[in-house]
Amino acid sequence: AQSVTQPDIHITVSEGASLELRCNYSYGATPYLFWYVQSPGQGLQLLLKYFSGDTLVQGIKGFEAEFKRSQSSFNLRKPSVHWSDAAEYFCAVTMNRDDKIIFGKGTRLHILP
Amino acid sequence: GAVVSQHPSWVICKSGTSVKIECRSLDFQATTMFWYRQFPKQSLMLMATSNEGSKATYEQGVEKDKFLINHASLTLSTLTVTSAHPEDSSFYICSAPDRGRAGGVFGPGTRLTVL
Repeated sequence: AQSVTQPDIHITVSEGASLELRCNYSYGATPYLFWYVQSPGQGLQLLLKYFSGDTLVQGIKGFEAEFKRSQSSFNLRKPSVHWSDAAEYFCAVTMNRDDKIIFGKGTRLHILP
Repeated sequence: GAVVSQHPSWVICKSGTSVKIECRSLDFQATTMFWYRQFPKQSLMLMATSNEGSKATYEQGVEKDKFLINHASLTLSTLTVTSAHPEDSSFYICSAPDRGRAGGVFGPGTRLTVL
C-alpha cells in the first residue's frame, strides 16, 4: 500500500539555524512528491514538488528538498530558519498528476528565539 | 493562478443536524475534487473523491450515508454531513487537480464544530 512516513512529530530549532525535515515513501514506482506547509488554522500551501529531473528541488520561502531514490526519501531543508517558519509541514505523494494526494502525519516545527 | 474556495469557512451546529459545505473551483473546471478531513493536530485524511456526473468514491471506513457528496457541476462539489455529532467536528478541506500540474489546488478549509 502507498504510504508516506514522517518520522519526526516535532522538531525544534533555533532561529537562524539550519533545518531538515525527513520524509520517506513506500511505492512501487517514483511518485510525485510534495511538501506542504500549514500554519495554525490555515489551509495548505505548496512549498515544492518533484517528479523527475534534477533531484534537488528549489521551492518557495527558501526551502529545498532532495530526492534520493536509493533511500526512498524526500527530505526538506532550509539553511536558515525564521520565526515565521513555525508551522506544520506535510510530506505528500501521488502517483498521477490529477490523482488523490496521500499525506504523511506531519512534522510540527517550533522555532526558538 | 487557480483558486479553490470553500463555504462556509466555519460553522457551528447542534448535534443531529445536517451541514452542507461547498467547494468551488474558480476560473477553472474540475471534473474531480477531493475531500479531506483533518482532526486537530493530525494529518489530512482523504475521505472521498467527488466525480462530476457520477457517484463519489469513498475511502475505506468513511460512511457514505453520513457524508453525502454531490458534484453538481464542473465547478462545484458539496459535502453534506448528515446527522452530525460532536465526533464529526473537524477541519474539512477540498482540493481540485490543477490543470495537469501535480499538487492540486487546496481550498482554505471549513471548520465544523458540532455541539
